[in-house]
Amino acid sequence: SAVISQKPSRDICQRGTSLTIQCQVDSQVTMMFWYRQQPGQSLTLIATANQGSEATYESGFVIDKFPISRPNLTFSTLTVSNMSPEDSSIYLCSVSSGSEDTQYFGPGTRLTVL
Amino acid sequence: QKEVEQNSGPLSVPEGAIASLNCTYSDRGSQSFFWYRQYSGKSPELIMFIYSNGDKEDGRFTAQLNKASQYVSLLIRDSQPSDSATYLCAAQKAAGNKLTFGGGTRVLVKP
Repeated sequence: SAVISQKPSRDICQRGTSLTIQCQVDSQVTMMFWYRQQPGQSLTLIATANQGSEATYESGFVIDKFPISRPNLTFSTLTVSNMSPEDSSIYLCSVSSGSEDTQYFGPGTRLTVL
Repeated sequence: QKEVEQNSGPLSVPEGAIASLNCTYSDRGSQSFFWYRQYSGKSPELIMFIYSNGDKEDGRFTAQLNKASQYVSLLIRDSQPSDSATYLCAAQKAAGNKLTFGGGTRVLVKP
């Protein structure tokens, strides 16, 4: 399976600011995804990061709030903009990898907004 | 109705027993199903996936799929305290596509 890293692993931010989370994969992958896991909850897909084109956002998530970049097949960023305490969550990058396109997750970024 | 539903638990299981986890899904277009284990403070790790009706075994884990009943299950044999975690069921419509997760079942294996 692909090895996935995320930066930062955690951060504490002030409301109204923005944070960019990086996701790096050790091999080229076609599909990359960004999920959010709010405290005590399951995972919710934010968007699919498409290489060379705009990300595909899920209902309830918009580009102005969560801009995503995917400059190549091994790297993506998610920005959480104009943060509020409700954005406090774990943000997870995942990729489809392997012969059967199974999905693997990065270690996550734990974000706390004060 | 949620697309993927799981009993939140906790499911308390004595060490050495079989833990049985259930998951139902509403979208008949779902083709593949995944079980992830998530320890507190960690990211989900893939246990196994299944896309054909019937059983699939991998070590102490067995996944079962019944597409007619829209039902997926995971059996953990010889449960160990290290199996104590939240187990997430996820459905996928096409290979490589996004996953839709259930709420997760918390499992506690007691020595």
